[in-house]
Amino acid sequence: DSGVTQTPKHLITATGQRVTLRCSPRSGDLSVYWYQQSLDQGLQFLIQYYNGEERAKGNILERFSAQQFPDLHSELNLSSLELGDSALYFCASKSDEETQYFGPGTRLTVL
Amino acid sequence: SQQGEEDPQALSIQEGENATMNCSYKTSINNLQWYRQNSGRGLVHLILIRSNEREKHSGRLRVTLDTSKKSSSLLITASRAADTASYFCATGQGGSEKLVFGKGMKLTVNP
Repeated sequence: DSGVTQTPKHLITATGQRVTLRCSPRSGDLSVYWYQQSLDQGLQFLIQYYNGEERAKGNILERFSAQQFPDLHSELNLSSLELGDSALYFCASKSDEETQYFGPGTRLTVL
Repeated sequence: SQQGEEDPQALSIQEGENATMNCSYKTSINNLQWYRQNSGRGLVHLILIRSNEREKHSGRLRVTLDTSKKSSSLLITASRAADTASYFCATGQGGSEKLVFGKGMKLTVNP
């Protein structure tokens, strides 16, 4: 158990819908990272937050957005969903040390 | 975009044998990390090696890093059936320390 929690574990929705994925980092970790894992793109970095502020952006679509709240949990919002958005979405947290600890992921299926 | 490239992409060995996985990358890095993933589940951190280190050990794991060749190798000694999983190398890059993952390597350890 990494100490990072993600909810829900599974999410099935339809094209055009909007969903919110939630991540609680390890106690005391200020950095939260979001990654997407799909069969064709592999594991890709989406976005990073540090203590509530956006720190870095990767291959995140404009239909996707994220935020980190004062209690340090983070949410990833995916809107206007397409079939190709079906993937595993991971969040990871990090302290001042370099290791990122990953949550169990949310498996999103868009039908 | 993915940067790391694991080699081989799949490896099947017998229990008790050693498994060696190689990873190549393209740009300068802060560190290189190896993760394990069982059947589409969460990523488990195995070991981290910093860019100024050449070799590191952790239990049955040995990782080497050659920054001049932009390559790393992970050795698992005395493999067990429980080591069956996909293994990913990931390079920590930039001030955000975002991780850039390879495509992964599937290891099968036969009992």
